[in-house]
Amino acid sequence: AQKITQTQPGMFVQEKEAVTLDCTYDTSDQSYGLFWYKQPSSGEMIFLIYQGSYDEQNATEGRYSLNFQKARKSANLVISASQLGDSAMYFCAMREDSYTGTASKLTFGTGTRLQVTL
Amino acid sequence: NAGVMQNPRHLVRRRGQEARLRCSPMKGHSHVYWYRQLPEEGLKFMVYLQKENIIDESGMPKERFSAEFPKEGPSILRIQQVVRGDSAAYFCASSNLHSGNTIYFGEGSWLTVV
Repeated sequence: AQKITQTQPGMFVQEKEAVTLDCTYDTSDQSYGLFWYKQPSSGEMIFLIYQGSYDEQNATEGRYSLNFQKARKSANLVISASQLGDSAMYFCAMREDSYTGTASKLTFGTGTRLQVTL
Repeated sequence: NAGVMQNPRHLVRRRGQEARLRCSPMKGHSHVYWYRQLPEEGLKFMVYLQKENIIDESGMPKERFSAEFPKEGPSILRIQQVVRGDSAAYFCASSNLHSGNTIYFGEGSWLTVV
């Protein structure tokens, strides 16, 4: 069974608008972490934001926020005030904490390609 | 991204040759992970190493692939007798007990098999 599902292969958003990238996950662990990464055309993986399963507040990092709905097992990324430089692939990933206490093996989704237009 | 160094960034090999990819983790990090990204796909876990130990190699192909993280020096991902299907981006990540929830990735190594 797929553990991380990103159902939007591609998205378009106009500059300065907000956009939501969807991510749902599947785990039987009580403790886990959810991550979002950005991969621009240059290829590097850039960490954006993290949400722990026990965090009561939704994570925010600048223009990025994570809409965490635990009961629905979703962890959508919201980018506010989109910029042209936000055009990239975006990957959702999960770490299941039963793996080992300190390890960081991640399971990735297939990604969403975001294109910001003028 | 800062601190995890991978080289080479780009590598071209003919079928049947060997490819060696190197990863120097962030200073003080003792956990290294290798991931593979095929074109238009997400990253797939390959192997998790600590110094001199392979902890989890459940994502490694059974043949031709090996990894090490010696006491001194970088972690090496080695692919013997490469085939076209090995063409991919290989990412290294590192962490330690204190890096919290930020997993640091290198910039990747792009292997092309011709």
